[in-house]
Amino acid sequence: AQSVSQHNHHVILSEAASLELGCNYSYGGTVNLFWYVQYPGQHLQLLLKYFSGDPLVKGIKGFEAEFIKSKFSFNLRKPSVQWSDTAEYFCAVSYGGSQGNLIFGKGTKLSVKP
Amino acid sequence: DAGVIQSPRHEVTEMGQEVTLRCKPISGHDYLFWYRQTMMRGLELLIYFNNNVPIDDSGMPEDRFSAKMPNASFSTLKIQPSEPRDSAVYFCASSGGGAASYEQFFGPGTRLTVL
Repeated sequence: AQSVSQHNHHVILSEAASLELGCNYSYGGTVNLFWYVQYPGQHLQLLLKYFSGDPLVKGIKGFEAEFIKSKFSFNLRKPSVQWSDTAEYFCAVSYGGSQGNLIFGKGTKLSVKP
Repeated sequence: DAGVIQSPRHEVTEMGQEVTLRCKPISGHDYLFWYRQTMMRGLELLIYFNNNVPIDDSGMPEDRFSAKMPNASFSTLKIQPSEPRDSAVYFCASSGGGAASYEQFFGPGTRLTVL
C-alpha cells in the first residue's frame, strides 16, 4: 500500500532557527506532492505543492520544499522560523490511479519558542 | 467562492443520540472527502466521493457511520448511535479540476463531543 512517512513527530525550535521537516513516500511512479499546515484550532491549509518542473518549490510565508525523486523525498524547509509558525505540518502525496485521493502523513508538530 | 462550508461548527450530544454533520463543497469540485482528526489517531480519511458516488469507504469505522451525497453541492455524515469515542473534529474537503489537480480544500471542521 502507498504510504507517506514523516520522520519527526514533534520538533521544538527557537525563533530564527532553520527548519527542515522530512517527508518520504513509497510510490515510484508519477506523483503530486503537497505540504499542508494546520494552525492551532484551525483547518488544514495548503502551504505549497509540486506537480512538475523545477523540483524546488516556493510556498507561502517563506517556506520551500525540494522534490528529490531518487530519494522519494519532499522535505519542507524554512531558513528562519517565527513564533507564528507554530503549527502541525502534513505532507501528502497523490499518485497515478489514486482516483483523486491524497495519502497524508501523520503530521509533525512544530513548536517555536519566542 | 466561500470555500468549503461545514455545519454545525460545534456539536455536543449525549451517547446514543444521532448526529448529522453537513458539508457544502466548493462549487464545481467533483471530489468530496470526509476526515476525522483526534489526538490519538491523527487525521483519518473516512470516505470520499467522486461525482456524488462513494469511491472508498474503507475508513468508515463501523456500521454506525454512514455518509451520503445526494447532489453535487451537499453531503452528510451521520453517526447513529453516537458513542463517546466518536468525539473528534470532522473535516470535509473538496477538490476538482480534473486529474491534474488533486489539491484538497478543507472546511473549518465540526468539533463533536459525545458525552
